[in-house]
Amino acid sequence: KQEVTQIPAALSVPEGENLVLNCSFTDSAIYNLQWFRQDPGKGLTSLLLIQSSQREQTSGRLNASLDKSSGRSTLYIAASQPGDSATYLCAVRPPSGGSNYKLTFGKGTLLTVNP
Amino acid sequence: DAGVTQSPTHLIKTRGQQVTLRCSPKSGHDTVSWYQQALGQGPQFIFQYYEEEERQRGNFPDRFSGHQFPNYSSELNVNALLLGDSALYLCASSPRRGGVETQYFGPGTRLLVL
Repeated sequence: KQEVTQIPAALSVPEGENLVLNCSFTDSAIYNLQWFRQDPGKGLTSLLLIQSSQREQTSGRLNASLDKSSGRSTLYIAASQPGDSATYLCAVRPPSGGSNYKLTFGKGTLLTVNP
Repeated sequence: DAGVTQSPTHLIKTRGQQVTLRCSPKSGHDTVSWYQQALGQGPQFIFQYYEEEERQRGNFPDRFSGHQFPNYSSELNVNALLLGDSALYLCASSPRRGGVETQYFGPGTRLLVL
């Protein structure tokens, strides 16, 4: 059974700092890994998606890496801003891919960026 | 494109009652998945529908059931509500042809069971 763990559970940083969020998964056989952002009481917004054959993806100030063999991914946020404050979730999709969209999520990291 | 829409946004029920939540997928998507997110937890997969049938199911009791309509919209029904059913219920849509495309999530329905 796939299990996803995110560390730390919460993180508070001053504005402008670079930071790293961690995600680990127990079964390295995945189709892809995805990072989401969730604002309080809201739905999920996809940030980055990394296919199992890829090592990293970048979007603006965000960079996500994937080490499938060790079951780890990191989300790097450069020059953090108060607007980045949210819960960040990672999720893995099973290897069958195709029409199998069952995602397994971690519990998330609650990020607070202080002005 | 309105994206994934869900209704209602909030709902309050009492124990033992039944509830129906609704989801309209993003235009061009024919697969709908439902997730339950308890406070402080990650979303948990409930089930997935395409071609009007349940194709996959997570570890949820039979009190949770669903339906998909010919226009690909979907309903989630929960019978005999328990206090522990209080959560944010998220709907996600995707194209069944699969591939690299991501799922798109709706804003969720917040259910409170008293």
